[in-house]
Amino acid sequence: KAGVTQTPRYLIKTRGQQVTLSCSPISGHRSVSWYQQTPGQGLQFLFEYFSETQRNKGNFPGRFSGRQFSNSRSEMNVSTLELGDSALYLCASSLQVRASPLHFGNGTRLTVT
Amino acid sequence: GIQVEQSPPDLILQEGANSTLRCNFSDSVNNLQWFHQNPWGQLINLFYIPSGTKQNGRLSATTVATERYSLLYISSSQTTDSGVYFCAVEWASGTYKYIFGTGTRLKVLA
Repeated sequence: KAGVTQTPRYLIKTRGQQVTLSCSPISGHRSVSWYQQTPGQGLQFLFEYFSETQRNKGNFPGRFSGRQFSNSRSEMNVSTLELGDSALYLCASSLQVRASPLHFGNGTRLTVT
Repeated sequence: GIQVEQSPPDLILQEGANSTLRCNFSDSVNNLQWFHQNPWGQLINLFYIPSGTKQNGRLSATTVATERYSLLYISSSQTTDSGVYFCAVEWASGTYKYIFGTGTRLKVLA
């Protein structure tokens, strides 16, 4: 069974631009969640989608948004990029929203210059 | 909100040594997972362990939910065990999302 696939693996953007990251969950998994990892803040929860609906949201500004499609694939978008958005963005899928282990993809490393 | 703290923050071992990593959490949790993050950033599932004890080869984990802690044991450590170990808890109150601990950075020397 294929794992969680994130694309692209690496991305370099300039301040003010926007970026879209993609995540394909494990087949049969309907929940997709996104995390941001930075050296200073650790792993922080961004948001979670289940059946195309956002179920939970972390404490991030509105520049961070996401969506989920009917095939459970998810995208997250960051608009008006800032230097502080440079991070490893990790996507995880699980069978359900609750009581279900997370399985992570390899991440997308975003550098904002 | 819930606090998830891991100790020690850093650990250096000689190959073959044993170690215990600890995860403390400040509120009731529904579930707990242990992950190993390798040098390339990949988060690898080690254990899904809301309570009790599990073993997988040289690794084992114990969660005592009533006392709000979990332990990860690494025996006969190898250089490939190097990386950062995270625990993540599914908080029983509020929204159901996993909260990650601060991590333990392990370096195993040959």
